[in-house]
Amino acid sequence: GQNIDQPTEMTATEGAIVQINCTYQTSGFNGLFWYQQHAGEAPTFLSYNVLDGLEEKGRFSSFLSRSKGYSYLLLKELQMKDSASYLCAVRAGEYGNKLVFGAGTILRVKS
Amino acid sequence: NAGVTQTPKFRILKIGQSMTLQCTQDMNHNYMYWYRQDPGMGLKLIYYSVGAGITDKGEVPNGYNVSRSTTEDFPLRLELAAPSQTSVYFCASKERQGGEDTQYFGPGTRLTVL
Repeated sequence: GQNIDQPTEMTATEGAIVQINCTYQTSGFNGLFWYQQHAGEAPTFLSYNVLDGLEEKGRFSSFLSRSKGYSYLLLKELQMKDSASYLCAVRAGEYGNKLVFGAGTILRVKS
Repeated sequence: NAGVTQTPKFRILKIGQSMTLQCTQDMNHNYMYWYRQDPGMGLKLIYYSVGAGITDKGEVPNGYNVSRSTTEDFPLRLELAAPSQTSVYFCASKERQGGEDTQYFGPGTRLTVL
């Protein structure tokens, strides 16, 4: 079966650092993605991990541990515009054609 | 490039009506997907296609049908609308399989069935 868990909501202060965790149990693993989704809009790609370790992209970093079935998204120097839902997704399936999404974590950034 | 476009943006249907949600991409992507997103939930895969003439079921295909006669278009058909199909529908496409093959999403269609 496929199961991806993320916290439902988080609140953080502008300028701070926040870590959003994701744990997964999937039949097959072929990469993990993080997407950002602002309210009423489509998801947009943030990051991709397929090997263990940290991938850094500006203010955003993503970490993967395949042995633990665990990832996190780290957002630094939080800005008000970072208020959004963050979706963790695992590429799975026999041919790796499909993404399985978690329910998303709503991040609220307060001033 | 317009990317992935979807029509209509909003629609209200009565129970039992049918409709087609349109999705077009101009990036020459082989892979296309239909998802639904219920309030406070992640995206659930309805159907997907790996190329023209090839479609396959996703996680929640019941009540829906698709076709892929061209690379560009991937319409989603609801035959007998039910309140349980009230949702936001996203179409997505990607170029290839493997690596950082990110999916590009359309703006979504907000469907209400009353």
